Amino acid sequence: KAGVTQTPRYLIKTRGQQVTLSCSPISGHRSVSWYQQTPGQGLQFLFEYFSETQRNKGNFPGRFSGRQFSNSRSEMNVSTLELGDSALYLCASSWGDRLVTEAFFGQGTRLTVV
Amino acid sequence: TQLLEQSPQFLSIQEGENLTVYCNSSSVFSSLQWYRQEPGEGPVLLVTVVTGGEVKKLKRLTFQFGDARKDSSLHITAAQPGDTGLYLCAGDGGKLIFGQGTELSVKP
Repeated sequence: KAGVTQTPRYLIKTRGQQVTLSCSPISGHRSVSWYQQTPGQGLQFLFEYFSETQRNKGNFPGRFSGRQFSNSRSEMNVSTLELGDSALYLCASSWGDRLVTEAFFGQGTRLTVV
Repeated sequence: TQLLEQSPQFLSIQEGENLTVYCNSSSVFSSLQWYRQEPGEGPVLLVTVVTGGEVKKLKRLTFQFGDARKDSSLHITAAQPGDTGLYLCAGDGGKLIFGQGTELSVKP
């Protein structure tokens, strides 16, 4: 059974650009959440999707957005990139309607903003 | 706002030593999870504790959930270099809320 797949693994972008990250959950999982991980802040919750609906949102500016497709795949978008957006972005999926049942994480996308 | 505080933040020990990592909050959580993360990888779930006072063992790792479900601990017996990594606790607060993590280094 394939795990959670995130693409790309690494990304370098320039300030002001926008970026789209992709997450394919484990087959059968319908809940997908996104986290930002930085050395100073740890894992910060971005948003959670279930059956194409955003169920929960963290305290991030509107530049951060996401969506989930009918096949449960999810994307997150960051517009007008800032240097502080450099981080490891992690996606997690769960079979239930709540991520807290058991979360399986992908390897993450390492975003560097220069 | 629900917060989870982990201590210590960094731990460097010799192979064979025992250690305990703490995860504390002023909030009650319906369940708490522990993850281990290696460099360049996503966190991997180790255990979920759901009942106050619950103790779970996973080989040399012992996890305990506080009676009031506000705190948890992870105890490792006879640590090995393969235990090196970032240990994260996460509480069920409607969404997963993570502690800052404990960076463990076990030297041979």
